[in-house]
Amino acid sequence: AQSVSQHNHHVILSEAASLELGCNYSYGGTVNLFWYVQYPGQHLQLLLKYFSGDPLVKGIKGFEAEFIKSKFSFNLRKPSVQWSDTAEYFCAVNVPSSNDYKLSFGAGTTVTVRA
Amino acid sequence: DAGVIQSPRHEVTEMGQEVTLRCKPISGHDYLFWYRQTMMRGLELLIYFNNNVPIDDSGMPEDRFSAKMPNASFSTLKIQPSEPRDSAVYFCASSTGRWGTDTQYFGPGTRLTVL
Repeated sequence: AQSVSQHNHHVILSEAASLELGCNYSYGGTVNLFWYVQYPGQHLQLLLKYFSGDPLVKGIKGFEAEFIKSKFSFNLRKPSVQWSDTAEYFCAVNVPSSNDYKLSFGAGTTVTVRA
Repeated sequence: DAGVIQSPRHEVTEMGQEVTLRCKPISGHDYLFWYRQTMMRGLELLIYFNNNVPIDDSGMPEDRFSAKMPNASFSTLKIQPSEPRDSAVYFCASSTGRWGTDTQYFGPGTRLTVL
């Protein structure tokens, strides 16, 4: 079964610190990869996505993620976080299943940025 | 567009009662998804529709759960009878085209508490 692993459950850091959230998946074929963010009290929204091409993907709000196929990873990064980046971050993988697709979400990583 | 609309935003009910959650997808989107989010299990796909037809309901936990989409602009998720373990945030999302390659747009969620 497809699974998505997010290594950190809760990350706490100070403003201007760099952030990296790990995401690994267990599927050997072609995948589409997503990072979603959920700000406190809000709904999930897309940060960035990878389908093909350049493995370094730029998203909104200064986030980027790198797809490393050999490592089955899609880690999220931001060089300098702000207090407003406090949120829960979800990695998701869309893989073919029968004649359609399945979307699997990781357990999420809560990021707390201290001012 | 107003985005995906869900109602109610909060629902508190007693065990054994029927609960109906509602969703209005973004106009023109032909895929609609129902998710459940809990601390224990994270974000789970319950069921999804394509052009109002249920495609995959393998995530529906048991027969107490049912979902309908009578037209392109409305869907319901019903729990009858409700149980305390059904307490969760239920999200509706919609997308256009093949959902393996398209972004899902999430609604604000319904926070359900079953006493």
